[in-house]
Amino acid sequence: EPEVTQTPSHQVTQMGQEVILRCVPISNHLYFYWYRQILGQKVEFLVSFYNNEISEKSEIFDDQFSVERPDGSNFTLKIRSTKLEDSAMYFCASSEWDRVYNEQFFGPGTRLTVL
Amino acid sequence: GENVEQHPSTLSVQEGDSAVIKCTYSDSASNYFPWYKQELGKRPQLIIDIRSNVGEKKDQRIAVTLNKTAKHFSLHITETQPEDSAVYFCAASNEPQGGSEKLVFGKGTKLTVNP
Repeated sequence: EPEVTQTPSHQVTQMGQEVILRCVPISNHLYFYWYRQILGQKVEFLVSFYNNEISEKSEIFDDQFSVERPDGSNFTLKIRSTKLEDSAMYFCASSEWDRVYNEQFFGPGTRLTVL
Repeated sequence: GENVEQHPSTLSVQEGDSAVIKCTYSDSASNYFPWYKQELGKRPQLIIDIRSNVGEKKDQRIAVTLNKTAKHFSLHITETQPEDSAVYFCAASNEPQGGSEKLVFGKGTKLTVNP
């Protein structure tokens, strides 16, 4: 069964550094998402992406964040200047355009630790 | 925006007993309500979902009920087994025709099934 994949599984970085989190959505899916989960808390929506542009973003997704689909298969989340509070598990998800069924499939996550 | 409340935060049952997890939502426009199971260190996985045109849905030992008037929905697990132990998240979405929208998650319920 196809799965969403994410790399790396764990990223450790210094405060102020840039990080890029990578995702490969399921191949025939058209909608892509990033969510984050701070340890012990709920999963929070960051951004959704369709047709090569952002369709919605949350207030968390400020100017320090950007997303890109550079090559038709990868979907990346960039944090330009990381803060301590960016430490979290970041999940990528994708869903297939379908009139009646839009299950979002989640990747295994990237644990980001900002020191 | 949408707000989803989930109770209880922890639930401990004996193997074979039933477990019920309840969620309420605030946005009457929400029309899609998935439930995700997240085992320790793993990705959230969809276990069942319900749309607002249906009041109840069942899949083997798992059922979900929806009360649109009261804006609450519940997950019911019967004949619980130790492998049901996980964190369960409810979510709500305003799913437009032919597209996908963000999921707004509850805070999660840690279910422990004791052998």
